Amino acid sequence: DADVTQTPRNRITKTGKRIMLECSQTKGHDRMYWYRQDPGLGLRLIYYSFDVKDINKGEISDGYSVSRQAQAKFSLSLESAIPNQTALYFCATSDSLTEKLFFGSGTQLSVL
Amino acid sequence: LAKTTQPISMDSYEGQEVNITCSHNNIATNDYITWYQQFPSQGPRFIIQGYKTKVTNEVASLFIPADRKSSTLSLPRVSLSDTAVYYCLVGRDNYGQNFVFGPGTRLSVLP
Repeated sequence: DADVTQTPRNRITKTGKRIMLECSQTKGHDRMYWYRQDPGLGLRLIYYSFDVKDINKGEISDGYSVSRQAQAKFSLSLESAIPNQTALYFCATSDSLTEKLFFGSGTQLSVL
Repeated sequence: LAKTTQPISMDSYEGQEVNITCSHNNIATNDYITWYQQFPSQGPRFIIQGYKTKVTNEVASLFIPADRKSSTLSLPRVSLSDTAVYYCLVGRDNYGQNFVFGPGTRLSVLP
């Protein structure tokens, strides 16, 4: 969905490096989410935010941090990347009325 | 958040109707049922959402029995392009709850 933009689309990094994945949205939604997907598996929630300055841990937050810089921007950081963080990362938004999720195109991250 | 159970995989042929059932025995009174479709290397896409009885849109139908402990996504006359993973989500994203995706159902449509 072009309304939810993730950058970069692909990233290769080395173990121990700090990296940031960016997400921006033009849907005007308050709620934003970061998910991780491993091959053949469902999506697992890393962090979510219901508004600016609101940050909540999901089921797999260890090794990750987030920043909600504005209503439209939600970034995910890996402080010290490790190989098992190699995965496809999705950002999503939703509104409080319909609670339908809208996903970005994903960032494929490879940690060597 | 209600836990859901769906078949891991299903096969079908072009032109057939496909029904995917999701069990959610612990669904709460305020919970909605939402289905998403995911193609490889893409983010999931909303298909349909319902609370009770039947909901129909241009893509699918959703059947929910009176006890709401299960729901069935119905895809009419599937084509090869319907090959995807389908996820059933149950719950409301309020008060710190969140959307949890299970492994979904991998639908393969054969020619």
